[in-house]
Amino acid sequence: RKEVEQDPGPFNVPEGATVAFNCTYSNSASQSFFWYRQDCRKEPKLLMSVYSSGNEDGRFTAQLNRASQYISLLIRDSKLSDSATYLCVVANAGNNRKLIWGLGTSLAVNP
Amino acid sequence: NAGVTQTPKFRVLKTGQSMTLLCAQDMNHEYMYWYRQDPGMGLRLIHYSVGEGTTAKGEVPDGYNVSRLKKQNFLLGLESAAPSQTSVYFCASSRQGTSSYNEQFFGPGTRLTVL
Repeated sequence: RKEVEQDPGPFNVPEGATVAFNCTYSNSASQSFFWYRQDCRKEPKLLMSVYSSGNEDGRFTAQLNRASQYISLLIRDSKLSDSATYLCVVANAGNNRKLIWGLGTSLAVNP
Repeated sequence: NAGVTQTPKFRVLKTGQSMTLLCAQDMNHEYMYWYRQDPGMGLRLIHYSVGEGTTAKGEVPDGYNVSRLKKQNFLLGLESAAPSQTSVYFCASSRQGTSSYNEQFFGPGTRLTVL
């Protein structure tokens, strides 16, 4: 089993739609969680960190469920510019400088 | 600020040739990393450095060497390139700090093809 698993998609949604991605992780001792965004043929960039209490940044909401070992990303009112691959990233205890990367979920927002 | 830069952007090598990829950051970050990204494999850590003069192995270090002689530079070397090293290589850097995590900033990548 991979340490971090994501549905690769692609998710095809119309503009204005709400879309949600889930990511599961295998190490119950994992401490830090993040969503990165990667545009086609570009480098990954941090979208948001994921906190235990859940957190929101504009149209984006991230949630963490430690009991079930998954994190989620909700995008409301999708824009064309949201089209990208969303990478789920986990940092394990005692190794916080090294990140475990999911393969990513591809999102295409259509006009 | 340029952030993290990588040279070259593209390179084609023949099997057995050697090359060095250069990463430079102007953010005064302590930590630097080299990753490779392959279809179906995700980002995998090759080597990393927690400070000038120090390096450590990551998940897939075989066939690569690194050096961090200056804080702002992190070099990745391929001594004898193999087709399996065809990949996109990303360099990243992050701050040192008391928090458990600091955001990693990535360079634009180097696309390497080994024939």
